[in-house]
Amino acid sequence: GEDVEQSLFLSVREGDSSVINCTYTDSSSTYLYWYKQEPGAGLQLLTYIFSNMDMKQDQRLTVLLNKKDKHLSLRIADTQTGDSAIYFCAESLIRGATNKLIFGTGTLLAVQP
Amino acid sequence: DVKVTQSSRYLVKRTGEKVFLECVQDMDHENMFWYRQDPGLGLRLIYFSYDVKMKEKGDIPEGYSVSREKKERFSLILESASTNQTSMYLCACDGTASGANVLTFGAGSRLTVL
Repeated sequence: GEDVEQSLFLSVREGDSSVINCTYTDSSSTYLYWYKQEPGAGLQLLTYIFSNMDMKQDQRLTVLLNKKDKHLSLRIADTQTGDSAIYFCAESLIRGATNKLIFGTGTLLAVQP
Repeated sequence: DVKVTQSSRYLVKRTGEKVFLECVQDMDHENMFWYRQDPGLGLRLIYFSYDVKMKEKGDIPEGYSVSREKKERFSLILESASTNQTSMYLCACDGTASGANVLTFGAGSRLTVL
């Protein structure tokens, strides 16, 4: 089946690390993504990871992929108030001729000053 | 950078009205998508189009239709709006980056049906 799950809310203090978790069900996912949605805006791609990798680092962002457990995480180091947003994970599935993205429910990250 | 423009940011309509949501992209991307976003449910795919005049149903097409007469424009139509269609509607188009399928989203259209 196609299902992507995330916890709904995470609160951290400014300067701490944030870890947002995601589980997915389809082992045929080719790419997994993290998108960020700021208030009143559409989704913006943050980063993505190919399914044969287990880690990707990009400045303050670290993505970890545990393919065996179908678990994806996004770590934000030195979290800032500007990181407050909703974070969506998504998996990319190929169904016939169609490449489809399945999104999670989104995690609201609240950063306390 | 690809830009996706949704012309209406906020709309208020009455039950039974016909609603058009317009989306325009400024790159030559074949694939365009309409999602709705609801709290606790994430994004759900309504319809997508992979070429002019081509469309496919997503996961929740009931109550919606779409139109793609030109490559850059993808419209979502609610023939007879109902209160359960109150939601945030997001349009997207996709390109590729190093083989990954990357969606670029518009800012969203928030529809309230009274």
